[in-house]
Amino acid sequence: GIQVEQSPPDLILQEGANSTLRCNFSDSVNNLQWFHQNPWGQLINLFYIPSGTKQNGRLSATTVATERYSLLYISSSQTTDSGVYFCAVEGLGWDGSEKLVFGKGMKLTVNP
Amino acid sequence: DAMVIQNPRYQVTQFGKPVTLSCSQTLNHNVMYWYQQKSSQAPKLLFHYYDKDFNNEADTPDNFQSRRPNTSFCFLDIRSPGLGDAAMYLCATSRLGARQTQYFGPGTRLLVL
Repeated sequence: GIQVEQSPPDLILQEGANSTLRCNFSDSVNNLQWFHQNPWGQLINLFYIPSGTKQNGRLSATTVATERYSLLYISSSQTTDSGVYFCAVEGLGWDGSEKLVFGKGMKLTVNP
Repeated sequence: DAMVIQNPRYQVTQFGKPVTLSCSQTLNHNVMYWYQQKSSQAPKLLFHYYDKDFNNEADTPDNFQSRRPNTSFCFLDIRSPGLGDAAMYLCATSRLGARQTQYFGPGTRLLVL
């Protein structure tokens, strides 16, 4: 099945710093989503971005589908950005149905 | 606002005592998913429904069952919870087909005593 790798696994920043999270995937994909999991456990959609570039406030994402990677940029980080960031891509399940395959996540800690 | 709702947010059960977690959605999405997430791990898909068509993941234990009585509601039944079933359970929905965004509920954290 499709493999998803995220890097770095952990990151500690001072408030105001910028960061880049990377997601590599092993096969062509129809769907790629970035999620932020907050300290209470909820997965919040950040971007649906199978290709191209999108921006939403201090966050932006770029997916280069032909090279099988995606990047999530966080600028001017805030303590509320802390949590775990997941990249998930759509792959085929064992029965041929589409399903999201998650990377292992990246834990971000933003210190004041 | 349209959303995915999970109840309860926290559930405590005893070893071997059946428990049911619920999920409802106001998005009118065809597909509903149940994920299990253990500490410091990625969510793991247990099963999903395309409308009323149930799709079980190959490695989902028989101890886990699901019901979808209508479009809006989906239940996760754990018949005999073990200590290893303590986890966060996440419900998600999407429209039918490829290239659809999945929307997640807030999750139910299950503790097994």
